[in-house]
Formats: sequence, C-alpha cells, structure tokens
Amino acid sequence: AQTVTQSQPEMSVQEAETVTLSCTYDTSESDYYLFWYKQPPSRQMILVIRQEAYKQQNATENRFSVNFQKAAKSFSLKISDSQLGDAAMYFCAYKRSEKLVFGKGTKLTVNP
Amino acid sequence: DAGVIQSPRHEVTEMGQEVTLRCKPISGHDYLFWYRQTMMRGLELLIYFNNNVPIDDSGMPEDRFSAKMPNASFSTLKIQPSEPRDSAVYFCASSLWGLSSYNEQFFGPGTRLTVL
Repeated sequence: AQTVTQSQPEMSVQEAETVTLSCTYDTSESDYYLFWYKQPPSRQMILVIRQEAYKQQNATENRFSVNFQKAAKSFSLKISDSQLGDAAMYFCAYKRSEKLVFGKGTKLTVNP
Repeated sequence: DAGVIQSPRHEVTEMGQEVTLRCKPISGHDYLFWYRQTMMRGLELLIYFNNNVPIDDSGMPEDRFSAKMPNASFSTLKIQPSEPRDSAVYFCASSLWGLSSYNEQFFGPGTRLTVL
C-alpha cells in the first residue's frame, strides 16, 4: 500500500521569508499524481499545487513551488515571501486511480 | 457553484445513538468520496462512489458504518450505533472524471462529530 510521510509535525517561518515543507512517499507505480493541500482553521481543504509524476518540470503556482525528486520519492513544498495567511496545516497527498492518500500534515506558523 | 455541501456542520450525540451525515456533491460530478480526519490517524478515505455505485469501501472501519448514494446529488454516511472513538471530522469530496488530467477533488467544509 502507498504511504505518505511528512516528517515535520510543525514548522515556523518569519513573514516574508521562505520555508520548505518535506514529504516522502512510497509506491511501486510509475504513473501517479502528487498534491499539497492547505487546511486553515476553517477546516476547508484547499488545493495548493499539484505535480504529475510523468512531468520532470517542477510545478509552480505563484509563491508556491515544489521540488519533485521521483527517484528519491520526495515531494517538498517551498513557500516564498511567506504571508500571515499562509498559516495552516499542510498535507501532502498521493493519488493513483481515484484514491487520495494523505500524510499526517505539517502545521505551519507564520510569525509577524 | 455552491461547492460541496455538507450537513450538519457540527453534531453532538450520545454513545449508542444513530448518526447520519449528509453530502451534496458539485452538480455534474461523477465521483463522491467520504473521508475521516482524526488527530491520531490523519485523513483517511472511507469509501468512494462512481456514478452512485460504491467502488471501494475498504476504508470503512466496521459494520457500524454504512454509506449510500441514492442519486447523483445526495449521499449519506451513517453510524449506528455511534461510539466515542467515532468522534472526528468527516469530509465529503467530489470530482469529475476528465475535468483535468488529475481529476481534482473538491472538498466540503466537513462535519465535526462528537460522540459523548
């Protein structure tokens, strides 16, 4: 079974600085998708960024980018110019067919 | 579009009572998912449907849990009888196959269930 590991239960960053959240996963498949979701205190799950495994180019969405290392099965999220509104739980997720498998999450605190 | 709608947002019940959680997916979506979120186990997929048919219920914890999707616009997750360890946030999500290459799942706001 696929597993997703987020080794940092909590992280903090100063406003306007850059932070990287780590994620590793285990799979024997070659075709899959990876996601980062944000969950603010409102509980709403918000898709931040996605990566197709067959694409070598790292995905970027404004201040959010990923470092996808397929051979190492690593998928880290970099948040640049951190803002107070970025404070939330961040979940890494793996998807093959229609099933999403989530990591346990990283709680990000942004300090003013 | 209103997004995925879940009701109730909060539910407090006593052990042994029946609990029914409700979900209305985004109109036109053909996949519906039920997830459970707890501190100990994180976010877990319980069951998912395609075109109202249950496809994979391997995540349903035990026979006390059941889920139905009588039509394309409504699904229920029922717990009977409820136990304190069922306390969690339950999310419903929906997606449309082919909308994109990765078929994004759109989540509802969740139902926070507390079983006393």
